Amino acid sequence: AQKITQTQPGMFVQEKEAVTLDCTYDTSDPSYGLFWYKQPSSGEMIFLIYQGSYDQQNATEGRYSLNFQKARKSANLVISASQLGDSAMYFCAMREGHTGGFKTIFGAGTRLFVKA
Amino acid sequence: DGGITQSPKYLFRKEGQNVTLSCEQNLNHDAMYWYRQDPGQGLRLIYYSQIVNDFQKGDIAEGYSVSREKKESFPLTVTSAQKNPTAFYLCASSASDRARANYGYTFGSGTRLTVV
Repeated sequence: AQKITQTQPGMFVQEKEAVTLDCTYDTSDPSYGLFWYKQPSSGEMIFLIYQGSYDQQNATEGRYSLNFQKARKSANLVISASQLGDSAMYFCAMREGHTGGFKTIFGAGTRLFVKA
Repeated sequence: DGGITQSPKYLFRKEGQNVTLSCEQNLNHDAMYWYRQDPGQGLRLIYYSQIVNDFQKGDIAEGYSVSREKKESFPLTVTSAQKNPTAFYLCASSASDRARANYGYTFGSGTRLTVV
């Protein structure tokens, strides 16, 4: 069965420094997609970045990059040059390519605190 | 601007009462989803729909019902059979073709339901 694990309930980072949020996953489907979402205190989920299981390059979107290590089944999010506005919950998520349509499962999340 | 509108933002339910949460999108997305989020936890899938007049149960469908009579609308009813409905409910949508689905979900701003 597919599963997403985020082992860091909370993380602190100094403003302007980089931070890595961990995510491991488990699936038997060779085709899958990995996502990261940000949830500010307002509650709305914001899509950040996507990595496909067949993508050769690690995904990047502005200050966000995804460190994809397929053999280890990990998909860590790296945020460079942290800003105070990055303080939020971050969720790793996975969608299997051939089962369940496009339904996505989510990890338990990591709360990031950016210190001034 | 295109997006997803959830209403109401806050909802109070008495014991034994059915309540309906509204979700409307104008993104022309085929697929729509309902997730439940409990404090400090990730999102759990309640129901999802890939096309009009069709929907599937997610991981925690008991005590909930949905309909998909229009592409734009996917209301969720929390029935009296749901014993612990107090939670934050998020509606999402996505394109159904695989290429665009890789952009992730678009979420509404959520409905916070409380049993009184």
